[in-house]
Formats: sequence, structure tokens, C-alpha cells
Amino acid sequence: EVQLVQSGAEVKKPGESLKISCKGSGYSFTSYWIGWVRQMPGKGLEWMGIIYPGDSDTRYSPSFQGQVTISADKSISTAYLQWSSLKASDTAMYYCAASGGSFVFDYWGQGTLVTVSS
Amino acid sequence: DIQLTQSPSFLSASVGDRVTITCRASQGISSYLAWYQQKPGKAPKLLIYAASTLQSGVPSRFSGSGSGTEFTLTISSLQPEDFATYYCQQLNSYLLTFGGGTKVEIK
Repeated sequence: EVQLVQSGAEVKKPGESLKISCKGSGYSFTSYWIGWVRQMPGKGLEWMGIIYPGDSDTRYSPSFQGQVTISADKSISTAYLQWSSLKASDTAMYYCAASGGSFVFDYWGQGTLVTVSS
Repeated sequence: DIQLTQSPSFLSASVGDRVTITCRASQGISSYLAWYQQKPGKAPKLLIYAASTLQSGVPSRFSGSGSGTEFTLTISSLQPEDFATYYCQQLNSYLLTFGGGTKVEIK
């Protein structure tokens, strides 16, 4: 069974750094793209970026380029989303999702809620 | 970037109704479109890909059609478990985008 398990909820202050994770199991981690999707409170889905763990090919939405960093450690089947300096506007649910082809997200993690507040 | 516009953004319907949601792309995307369903507090779930291919395990009352710039998601007979928000997603370029969503509520 394919599973994506994300790290737990985070509460941070503005200016702090953060790295959240998404661990894949039940499939070949290096053969699926992993994407990250933001959902702000009460809002829709926003695609942030995507990485191919097999060769670390990474692509970002222009809206998130320079704001976050996506990475992956294929040795432990885990993808990451990180911020160097959080803002209150980063408060959102963040989902990872796996794509076996054509960037269709077949499988989704349970989401990580990030709250940024002073 | 390719923009996706969904309509309506909100829809009130009864169990048994036929429901149609439209997704329009700002430029042609062939059949590179997927539809997702999201229930409150849950992750999205893939329903349809390649505009009209039903994902395994998805009930046959869901169907998708269209190509180019106009696409539709149809629920032939709305069931209680179908009340949710639906999103389209274009896959034509690696700059993936989602539509704004259509919330389907009980009338």
C-alpha cells in the first residue's frame, strides 16, 4: 500500500526557520515525483513545487520560487519543504502528494498544519 | 502561467441531482487535466485524470469530458458522500495549477 506520512503540526514565530517532511512507503520512492501543495485557511489548493527524488530535479511555482526550498533524501524515502524565515502569511496546511506520471497526484499525505504567530 | 477558472464556485444541490462543474483553461491544454475531490479536514482525492479517465475505485457516477480549454466534471446522481469541494488541475506544463474550487453543498 502506497503511503505518504507527513510530520506533525508546527507552531512557529515569524522569522523562524522550519523544515517539514513527507515519508513515502509502499512504492519506489525514486520513481515518483513528489509535489507540495499549500492550502491557506478556508482557501483553495496552490501548487508550490515538485521534486523527482531519483535525480533531485526540482521545479517551483513562480509564486513560491525563492520563498521555500524543496529537497529529498532518497536513502530514507523522505521529501522536505523548508523555510528560512517564516511569515504569518505562511500559516496554512501543507500537503505532499506523489505523482507516478504526467504530474497527476495519485497519492496524498495527511497534511501538516503550520501556524506562524507572534 | 496557465490559469484555470472553475464555475460555479458554489453549488447547492439535492441527493439524486445531476451536477456539472466547468473548468476553463486560459490556453489550450489538450487533455492534460485532472479532477480532485476534497472533504473538510481531509486531503484531496484523485477522481479523474487525462480529462476523462476514471481513477481506480472511483464510482462510475463521476465522469469527465472536454479537451483544449473547456472541461466538465459531471456527477450523474449526487450521493450524500459527494458533498465536498472539487478542484481541477492542469498538467500541460510543469507549472502546474489548480482551479479555484467548486463547493457542492446540500440544498
